[in-house]
Amino acid sequence: DVKVTQSSRYLVKRTGEKVFLECVQDMDHENMFWYRQDPGLGLRLIYFSYDVKMKEKGDIPEGYSVSREKKERFSLILESASTNQTSMYLCASSTDSTYEQYFGPGTRLTVT
Amino acid sequence: DQQVKQNSPSLSVQEGRISILNCDYTNSMFDYFLWYKKYPAEGPTFLISISSIKDKNEDGRFTVFLNKSAKHLSLHIVPSQPGDSAVYFCAASRASGGSYIPTFGRGTSLIVHP
Repeated sequence: DVKVTQSSRYLVKRTGEKVFLECVQDMDHENMFWYRQDPGLGLRLIYFSYDVKMKEKGDIPEGYSVSREKKERFSLILESASTNQTSMYLCASSTDSTYEQYFGPGTRLTVT
Repeated sequence: DQQVKQNSPSLSVQEGRISILNCDYTNSMFDYFLWYKKYPAEGPTFLISISSIKDKNEDGRFTVFLNKSAKHLSLHIVPSQPGDSAVYFCAASRASGGSYIPTFGRGTSLIVHP
């Protein structure tokens, strides 16, 4: 079974803090994704990566950056957290040969 | 501008009846469509998919129908069970530089009453 893990289930940070969200997948998938889920807005793509050290902006990259130094790990970075970044963050991975994505359990981030 | 629309935020059905969840898309470049199911405090899980070259795909109680001319797909759950209560996301996918990038709808919350 594919397993995607995220470093924290719940996180509370203060405005202006630098925040790191970590995601690890164990199935050697080429592609990794970061989404945020907000009520009534569904899943919105922040960034994705199709290879180590490669990254592409998604639909809402502003205020975020990412890092992929190893194939299995994809990090989302909030350089200076703001209250409008309070959300559920979901990491996903997929292979090049399939459309299906595998999601982690999510991190509920609250910025106060 | 939403490329994938799920116009019903919620749906309530009785156990044993049919649940029909709808999804519309605008981009004719989408070539693969998926449905995901999400329980609270969990990540979405893949449920069923359909290629644009087909009009129907069935897996047990779940059937997805695709009408390309109308740019519309639907998910049928028969019979519905209380355990099906979850948020269902429609996703439409396209190839981008060798990867498949999905666009998600906003989700429909399904409640199945015992």
